[in-house]
Amino acid sequence: GAGVSQSPSNKVTEKGKDVELRCDPISGHTALYWYRQSLGQGLEFLIYFQGNSAPDKSGLPSDRFSAERTGGSVSTLTIQRTQQEDSAVYLCASSFSGRAGYNEQFFGPGTRLTVL
Amino acid sequence: GESVGLHLPTLSVQEGDNSIINCAYSNSASDYFIWYKQESGKGPQFIIDIRSNMDKRQGQRVTVLLNKTVKHLSLQIAATQPGDSAVYFCAESNQAGTALIFGKGTTLSVSS
Repeated sequence: GAGVSQSPSNKVTEKGKDVELRCDPISGHTALYWYRQSLGQGLEFLIYFQGNSAPDKSGLPSDRFSAERTGGSVSTLTIQRTQQEDSAVYLCASSFSGRAGYNEQFFGPGTRLTVL
Repeated sequence: GESVGLHLPTLSVQEGDNSIINCAYSNSASDYFIWYKQESGKGPQFIIDIRSNMDKRQGQRVTVLLNKTVKHLSLQIAATQPGDSAVYFCAESNQAGTALIFGKGTTLSVSS
């Protein structure tokens, strides 16, 4: 079956531009997560969606970062006025239900963002 | 051979050896732990998980050990193969149960 897909796979942008990253979770998964992975580092949690509940935005590093999830499925992560320190791989994951503590998260291949 | 001890950023083993990758976690109240494998250019892939009411769990060629007293987690890979070469991350559930907190990762290199 289809896994988590993300687009684009690579994005190069200029400092100050806005970017949108897309995630298509596995069908039927109610929970969706965004993480960021800087070069050679572990994953850093950004935001979590579960059904129609208010998202957990506690990991977003600044107000330039936002995300939405439409219709409980596709999610878009938006970074406004990109900075060079935003360069990283942005990973999306989904799971069957919302509690990260008891359900395997399936990861997409990531979007590699480079800010020049 | 095996390598046991504190977290190491890299681990090199020979094909057929057993590998042990260690991880220290931060929150004594964490109730769920998971190991992921990440190959170059790919997203993390689930290996094995364990809940805090257990201290050992076995999968196919892999075993996870949990020592809650010292907040230590380890992944044992039996008969390591070249295809096991990757970065391995441990993760714990955050307090809200909304995300995983990942460790720094250990790069496992298997030579044949």
